[in-house]
Amino acid sequence: EIVLTQSPATLSLSPGERVTLSCRASQSVSSYLAWFQQKPGQAPRVLIYDASNRATGIPARFSGSGSGTDFTLTISSLEPEDFAVYYCQQRSNWPPTFGQGTKLEIK
Amino acid sequence: EVQLVETGGGLIQPGGSLRLSCAASGFAVSRKYMSWVRQAPGKALEWVSVFYSGGSTYYADSVKGRFNISRDNSKNMLYLQMNSLRPEDTAVYYCARGGVAVALPDYWGQGTLVTVSS
Repeated sequence: EIVLTQSPATLSLSPGERVTLSCRASQSVSSYLAWFQQKPGQAPRVLIYDASNRATGIPARFSGSGSGTDFTLTISSLEPEDFAVYYCQQRSNWPPTFGQGTKLEIK
Repeated sequence: EVQLVETGGGLIQPGGSLRLSCAASGFAVSRKYMSWVRQAPGKALEWVSVFYSGGSTYYADSVKGRFNISRDNSKNMLYLQMNSLRPEDTAVYYCARGGVAVALPDYWGQGTLVTVSS
């Protein structure tokens, strides 16, 4: 099973700031890496899939990059609604596995 | 409008059984990959089971032989029969519809909490 390690576990930031989240895979997942956002009491939703493709309806301030084992999610300017938990997920090998998440909290 | 509504969660003793239901509307479950995904408190999301549109199924090793996924096309429902429940099965269980890929759901239910405890 492929293990995904996210860093950092928690980030305290202010609206308007730029943030980059990291995800490292225990082995290559090619470009089959997705980013999910989850808010309290809600199901996760896909933001980015296949490393850099924005899902339908996702604002352009979200972008993803990387391939192989190292990936990043960048939010160019944080909006109040972006404070949530972010998970990376690989689907290169079945079953899909998720990282433990990075929590973005308001400073 | 696409909607998924899960029911059937609750408190159950170890060794017991529960059946989760997922009522779908706005699309036909027979035409989509449908999954159950769970989230234990403080843990990463886990893909539990998949019902592929062609009828084949997948189970995580952790539930194989204990859980059974099924669907009723006439009622547009997805089910998860959970037997021999263990404390480590405690989680919020989500029903999810496959989007770009089965592992990239485009719609999720609100989740139903299953607590396995004596």
